[in-house]
Amino acid sequence: QKEVEQNSGPLSVPEGAIASLNCTYSDRGSQSFFWYRQYSGKSPELIMSIYSNGDKEDGRFTAQLNKASQYVSLLIRDSQPSDSATYLCAVIRGSQGNLIFGKGTKLSVKP
Amino acid sequence: ETGVTQTPRHLVMGMTNKKSLKCEQHLGHNAMYWYKQSAKKPLELMFVYNFKEQTENNSVPSRFSPECPNSSHLFLHLHTLQPEDSALYLCASSPNRGRNEQYFGPGTRLTVT
Repeated sequence: QKEVEQNSGPLSVPEGAIASLNCTYSDRGSQSFFWYRQYSGKSPELIMSIYSNGDKEDGRFTAQLNKASQYVSLLIRDSQPSDSATYLCAVIRGSQGNLIFGKGTKLSVKP
Repeated sequence: ETGVTQTPRHLVMGMTNKKSLKCEQHLGHNAMYWYKQSAKKPLELMFVYNFKEQTENNSVPSRFSPECPNSSHLFLHLHTLQPEDSALYLCASSPNRGRNEQYFGPGTRLTVT
């Protein structure tokens, strides 16, 4: 089982819709969870971090964490074409503190 | 974002060359990291430095040699690379190793011919 799993996509949504990106992880001891956005040819940019169960909102972004289900998600409201990018889920493994990345989900927002 | 800078941004080198990648962070962080990103693969952690001390070498071949002279600077020395080493090499930093979020530099696109 991969440590951090994401659907590679592409996920295509119309402009103005809600984009929902999902991620599962295998290490129950994981404590810290992050979403990065990566535009083509660029480096990953941190957009959200979440450490406890529940929802965390920042502007149009909402991160959701469910440790019992080992599931973390990112919702993007009012999606814009500029949101088109690959979204990377990353998890810090409990014991070593290393950041483990999923392969990413490619999001395409159509005007 | 100028918190983490990397030079050069692009590098083409032959298999017999020796080159170095440089990373500098201006965020006052204590931990620095090297990652490799190849097409169709997740980001791979290569090395971790915490307070200038190497705390992780993720089974990286010896043709990659890291150096961390202080908490703000990180180098990756390259020699006798293989074509399969062509990738985007990313430097990142975090306040400390562990829970903290990591911030990435723009990366060096390396091509080995």
